Amino acid sequence: GESVGLHLPTLSVQEGDNSIINCAYSNSASDYFIWYKQESGKGPQFIIDIRSNMDKRQGQRVTVLLNKTVKHLSLQIAATQPGDSAVYFCAETLNQAGTALIFGKGTTLSVSS
Amino acid sequence: GAGVSQSPSNKVTEKGKDVELRCDPISGHTALYWYRQSLGQGLEFLIYFQGNSAPDKSGLPSDRFSAERTGGSVSTLTIQRTQQEDSAVYLCASSRTIGGQPQHFGDGTRLSIL
Repeated sequence: GESVGLHLPTLSVQEGDNSIINCAYSNSASDYFIWYKQESGKGPQFIIDIRSNMDKRQGQRVTVLLNKTVKHLSLQIAATQPGDSAVYFCAETLNQAGTALIFGKGTTLSVSS
Repeated sequence: GAGVSQSPSNKVTEKGKDVELRCDPISGHTALYWYRQSLGQGLEFLIYFQGNSAPDKSGLPSDRFSAERTGGSVSTLTIQRTQQEDSAVYLCASSRTIGGQPQHFGDGTRLSIL
């Protein structure tokens, strides 16, 4: 079936660097996309979301970019900190209640001091 | 409460036993979801509840899995005659009705079948 995938399973960066985590999605009908951060032993924590009528959305130190032409989603983290170390998941769905999120396998971000 | 609450946080049981996992959603959230996360994997949708409507069970892997939601709030996921392949983290999420997203997750129940 259709699923969201990620380009790299792991990403290692130095503290202070900018991080970019990529994600490819396959369902052209999806109109809502979301990034979660998951720390060991915890549930996924909402970071930022974007609807298909936008191509960029910014939060605090994070930016999500959506390229519908090539069905690509990315998460940019500015000035990465050790506390950003976690597994990051992208997910897609239809922007309405009752639709399940379709998750990718995740990218493990490791930040060294 | 402030967030989605799940219990127990860990559950170890023998193959063949039944288990019940509990989820208490965020107050005011009417949509409730169950997902399963196997080791090192992404989340797999199991079932969805919305108010008094019939649940969407399309993700349940077998008839050994069932869930109910009483009073539109707390939900229980039951796995009967557990198998070793049922070992995973079971995550619950809730969301508001209007808009429906984002879904907010609890910390899950880590289920281990011996």
